[in-house]
Amino acid sequence: NAGVTQTPKFQVLKTGQSMTLQCAQDMNHEYMSWYRQDPGMGLRLIHYSVGAGITDQGEVPNGYNVSRSTTEDFPLRLLSAAPSQTSVYFCASSYKYNQPQHFGDGTRLSIL
Amino acid sequence: AQTVTQSQPEMSVQEAETVTLSCTYDTSESDYYLFWYKQPPSRQMILVIRQEAYKQQNATENRFSVNFQKAAKSFSLKISDSQLGDAAMYFCAYRSTNTNAGKSTFGDGTTLTVKP
Repeated sequence: NAGVTQTPKFQVLKTGQSMTLQCAQDMNHEYMSWYRQDPGMGLRLIHYSVGAGITDQGEVPNGYNVSRSTTEDFPLRLLSAAPSQTSVYFCASSYKYNQPQHFGDGTRLSIL
Repeated sequence: AQTVTQSQPEMSVQEAETVTLSCTYDTSESDYYLFWYKQPPSRQMILVIRQEAYKQQNATENRFSVNFQKAAKSFSLKISDSQLGDAAMYFCAYRSTNTNAGKSTFGDGTTLTVKP
């Protein structure tokens, strides 16, 4: 098992550009989440999904879109990048809500 | 909405000694799960320990144990016989079980330094 795979690991964007952060898991997990981690801070929930076709907003959803067409994949789309979105992004998954989350290695995103 | 507070931004401990990291949370739910995660400089998030709110017994994993006080909404992590490899940022996390099942809230973390 590869676990949770995030791509890319690093990305630099210009303000106004759009892009998609990819997240895939091969553990047949129902629950998937996207977080952002700003320097010296904890993880803040952007969007999460409790199964294919079901997504919901987290704490900081503005400027981001998600979809979950398959169990394995949960891409995060930045619609029009802003410098305030410079952060490290983590994708996580778990089999059920009562199980610990498995995290990807993170994507470091810089918006100029 | 749930909140998680870690009041100690930084802690240090001598190798082989014991240290306790604090975590408090606010919720109106009666059933939930609590976790401690470790994030070393590699940035990888690693599960340390998990506690189910409906269980009175405190969870233990080798040198790591928790003091779970449900009424006080407190969930502290005790690390015994600290090792250099324990140096990391530690995050306390809350996970709902109701209609928001799957939604997690993290504290801002405590950076632990282990002195040789």
